[in-house]
Amino acid sequence: QKEVEQDPGPLSVPEGAIVSLNCTYSNSAFQYFMWYRQYSRKGPELLMYTYSSGNKEDGRFTAQVDKSSKYISLFIRDSQPSDSATYLCAMSSGSARQLTFGSGTQLTVLP
Amino acid sequence: DTEVTQTPKHLVMGMTNKKSLKCEQHMGHRAMYWYKQKAKKPPELMFVYSYEKLSINESVPSRFSPECPNSSLLNLHLHALQPEDSALYLCASSLSGRPNTEAFFGQGTRLTVV
Repeated sequence: QKEVEQDPGPLSVPEGAIVSLNCTYSNSAFQYFMWYRQYSRKGPELLMYTYSSGNKEDGRFTAQVDKSSKYISLFIRDSQPSDSATYLCAMSSGSARQLTFGSGTQLTVLP
Repeated sequence: DTEVTQTPKHLVMGMTNKKSLKCEQHMGHRAMYWYKQKAKKPPELMFVYSYEKLSINESVPSRFSPECPNSSLLNLHLHALQPEDSALYLCASSLSGRPNTEAFFGQGTRLTVV
């Protein structure tokens, strides 16, 4: 079993839809959680960073962490074609040597 | 400014060539990283420099040689690569010297080994 599981998709939604992207993890020591957006042939862009449990909102994006269920989510409201990209979750513990990435979810928002 | 700048953007090299990838950040970040990313896969960590010292080498073959001349610059020297080394090479940095915190990535160098 992988430490971090992420549905690879692909996921297609119409413009304006609410998108929910999710990751589950097995390591209860994880406490730092990130979401990255990666456009084709570009580097990952940090979208959201959350420490421990709770919600964090930034514009159309909301990151949610549920440590009791070992589950994190990224919600995108009013999705736009420009949101079409691969979304990677990443997480780590305080003593980890590195970030652990999910496999990425490919999202397409159709005009 | 949350920018990590990588050059070149594209590189094609033969198996006998020597080339270098360059990375620069001016955010005062204390850790810098090299990652390798294959198509449809997440980034894989190669090296970590923390406070300009090599702190992690993820068992990377010696044909890849990292160098950190100062706190803003990171190089990756390439020699005698194989076609399977073709990938997107990403540089990243983070404010903390620890490699397990939020990292900011550059746009990558797309490397093709022929």
